[in-house]
Amino acid sequence: KNEVEQSPQNLTAQEGEFITINCSYSVGISALHWLQQHPGGGIVSLFMLSSGKKKHGRLIATINIQEKHSSLHITASHPRDSAVYICAVIRGQGAQKLVFGQGTRLTINP
Amino acid sequence: NAGVMQNPRHLVRRRGQEARLRCSPMKGHSHVYWYRQLPEEGLKFMVYLQKENIIDESGMPKERFSAEFPKEGPSILRIQQVVRGDSAAYFCASSPELGGEQFFGPGTRLTVL
Repeated sequence: KNEVEQSPQNLTAQEGEFITINCSYSVGISALHWLQQHPGGGIVSLFMLSSGKKKHGRLIATINIQEKHSSLHITASHPRDSAVYICAVIRGQGAQKLVFGQGTRLTINP
Repeated sequence: NAGVMQNPRHLVRRRGQEARLRCSPMKGHSHVYWYRQLPEEGLKFMVYLQKENIIDESGMPKERFSAEFPKEGPSILRIQQVVRGDSAAYFCASSPELGGEQFFGPGTRLTVL
């Protein structure tokens, strides 16, 4: 079993829909990243969080440390949001390397 | 402030040749990470370096792969005697501090013929 599990693996929605991508992890962490990888392959860091909630534009990320769970929400989704969204954790204190989920492929149709 | 730079963006090598991938971190960042993404697979950690030091190379294959981050110049990931299975996207990330947010470069796509 992977240390970081994402669901769903694939998600197709219509423009304007509210999107939720989930991430569960089985190890103690010091922080969690949400990353976006576009079809061209580049990776963009969306959020790094260790507690609570962060918001940037139409994107919202939440984390529940006790339940070892994080969600990424996209409001008013748009075709340009189509990408692979990747959850990654930094294990424990003083650790550095990211451990990645398998990614969620999101397609937003116009 | 320029982002993380990687070059080349695309690299084609024949089996047995050497591949050198370069990564220039963001200004002020002294922590560099290399990750590999095999075709149709997720990202995997390879190595973590600070200036002139390898801190964690637990994800590096034991043979043919090496990494450095010299006092001056970019970090280098070197793959000797490449094989077809080395074909992948190699991403570099940098952060300004221990445990800080990591910022990714555009990646180098290595194809081994």
